Amino acid sequence: SAVISQKPSRDICQRGTSLTIQCQVDSQVTMMFWYRQQPGQSLTLIATANQGSEATYESGFVIDKFPISRPNLTFSTLTVSNMSPEDSSIYLCSVEPQGYNEQFFGPGTRLTVL
Amino acid sequence: RKEVEQDPGPFNVPEGATVAFNCTYSNSASQSFFWYRQDCRKEPKLLMSVYSSGNEDGRFTAQLNRASQYISLLIRDSKLSDSATYLCVKTGRRALTFGSGTRLQVQP
Repeated sequence: SAVISQKPSRDICQRGTSLTIQCQVDSQVTMMFWYRQQPGQSLTLIATANQGSEATYESGFVIDKFPISRPNLTFSTLTVSNMSPEDSSIYLCSVEPQGYNEQFFGPGTRLTVL
Repeated sequence: RKEVEQDPGPFNVPEGATVAFNCTYSNSASQSFFWYRQDCRKEPKLLMSVYSSGNEDGRFTAQLNRASQYISLLIRDSKLSDSATYLCVKTGRRALTFGSGTRLQVQP
C-alpha cells in the first residue's frame, strides 16, 4: 500500500488569499491525483500530476486557479488561488502505486474560506 | 447526466439486516469498477473491486452487469461498524469517477 500525508490538515482562510496544500507519499509513484470534495458531495477530480510534466486539468478547473507542482516522485503541491467561499471544500491527494489496482488517498485538507 | 449515479439514501437498517445498494453508470468503455467506503470526516478507502462474474468478500458481495451498466453491493448481517457512505466508482478518462455515495446507518 501507500502511506500518504497532507499538510495542512485544515485551515481557515480569508477570501482573496491563496493556500498551498502539500502531499507526501512514502514511496515513489508515477501519477498523483488531486480531488475536491465539497460539503455533502462526492469526489471530483481536479487534475492529474505527473513528475516532469505539466498537470492535466479536468473540465472546469484551470491552472491559474489551481496551480500544481510535482517536483519529484513522492511529493506534490496544490495551490488554491484567490480563494472565495465557494472554494470551501476538502482537498484530497491520491496515488495508484505500480502493481495495485487501487487508489490510496491522503487524509484530506479541510479548507474553509470566509 | 452524471457518469455514476447512486441513491444517496440514507439507508437506516437494524443490525443483522441485509441491505443492497445499486449504482448505474454511463460510458460503457469504463474498464474497472469498485466500491469505496468513506467514514465521516475520513478519506475514501477501497472496499472491493467489482467483476462481471460477481465477487464476494465475507459479508459483502459485489456484482457488475455490463449490459445494463449496473453495479450492486450487498451487505449481509449488517454490523454497527458498517455505518458509512459507500461510493460507487469507475475508472474514468484519467483517474476515478465517483458516484455521490449512499449513506448507510446501521442501528442497534
